Amino acid sequence: QVQLQESGPGLVKPSETLSLTCTVSGGSTSRSNYYWGWIRQPPGKGLEWIGSIYYSGITYYNPSLKSRVTISIDTSKKQFSLKLTSVTAADTAVYYCARQVTTVISDYWGQGTLVTVSS
Amino acid sequence: SSELTQDPAVSVALGQTVRITCQGDSLRDYYASWYQQKPGQAPVLVIFGKNNRPSRIPDRFSGSSSGNTASLTITGAQAEDEADYYCNSRDSSGNLVVFGGGTKLTVL
Repeated sequence: QVQLQESGPGLVKPSETLSLTCTVSGGSTSRSNYYWGWIRQPPGKGLEWIGSIYYSGITYYNPSLKSRVTISIDTSKKQFSLKLTSVTAADTAVYYCARQVTTVISDYWGQGTLVTVSS
Repeated sequence: SSELTQDPAVSVALGQTVRITCQGDSLRDYYASWYQQKPGQAPVLVIFGKNNRPSRIPDRFSGSSSGNTASLTITGAQAEDEADYYCNSRDSSGNLVVFGGGTKLTVL
């Protein structure tokens, strides 16, 4: 059974960088079948795809966030990471990591972590 | 704004059948996936592709598509099916993954 767990600060100051890591257990991030993605959900609102990374390191980003987002992968540690720069209050959300069959189909999700942007 | 449109809320009597729809031009070219989300929990994939279910999802969940509309059907809705349901797919360019705004399903 694949499990994913997000980790990182729950509070980030405006204009700073949000950094999260997703650790995968019960599976490998180096398998060629899968992508690894980040999706967020502002409190009380819907889901927004942030971006995805293929096991080889090829990245796909939401154009609306592309200038601020970096997703990377460390297959030796079974981890992938999200960095979002120059955050504002609008970036306050629950951030989920997910294993993806394609960038559209997320078959396993982490429990999510709330990141609040506030001074 | 989302390029996939869902009804904000739908209700169904216990044991009856309900269809939740998702509309968007890109659905003429791409399949939708469907996710169930209960309060305080992560989304769960229930349908993907033409009409595929992960093994852990009951067979009362099914998917279909016609023109610019994708549908999730629950045949014999149960109390535990009460949740928010989100569709997702690609946008018309194929480069962006988009989600619908979600449908809150109430089981009466």
